Amino acid sequence: GDSVTQMEGPVTLSEEAFLTINCTYTATGYPSLFWYVQYPGEGLQLLLKATKADDKGSNKGFEATYRKETTSFHLEKGSVQVSDSAVYFCAAQGGSEKLVFGKGTKLTVNP
Amino acid sequence: DAGVIQSPRHEVTEMGQEVTLRCKPISGHNSLFWYRQTMMRGLELLIYFNNNVPIDDSGMPEDRFSAKMPNASFSTLKIQPSEPRDSAVYFCASSLRTGGVETQYFGPGTRLLVL
Repeated sequence: GDSVTQMEGPVTLSEEAFLTINCTYTATGYPSLFWYVQYPGEGLQLLLKATKADDKGSNKGFEATYRKETTSFHLEKGSVQVSDSAVYFCAAQGGSEKLVFGKGTKLTVNP
Repeated sequence: DAGVIQSPRHEVTEMGQEVTLRCKPISGHNSLFWYRQTMMRGLELLIYFNNNVPIDDSGMPEDRFSAKMPNASFSTLKIQPSEPRDSAVYFCASSLRTGGVETQYFGPGTRLLVL
């Protein structure tokens, strides 16, 4: 079945540092890909998504590009802020409505 | 615009008791999902409904768990009897199934502790 693998955390950065969280997927066909973010004590929120190869999703300074050749959807941000501290989940949606999530990567940004 | 509403937000109960979690999806959405989140297992899909009909319940751990969706605006997840290993955060999510990409919108979760 479909699966998503994302880099293990936790990740700790200083404010204004560059962020990369790796995500790769295994799926039949061409799934839609998502990044969700979970702030402490809250539910998951959609951060960005991409539906086909070479699409770039972006939101709040975060970006991820759908790379079919490497089956990847890495999350990047050029300059993180303390308010970006959260858990980030990569997810894939294949032929059904089901989302398959990675295990999550906890990001802590220190001032 | 109200998002997904879950109640209660926190529940503490004793082993053997019945627990009922409630969810109100976003108005107009036709798919509803129940997830469980734990440190050990991450985020697991328990069951999902489309147009109030259960489509896939393969993630439901055992017969102690049951879910219903009597109408488009309400769903319940019931655990009877509850056990300490059921302690987790339970999320409800909804989406609009259109045949294209379907974004799921999550509720704030119910934090369940079974003593």
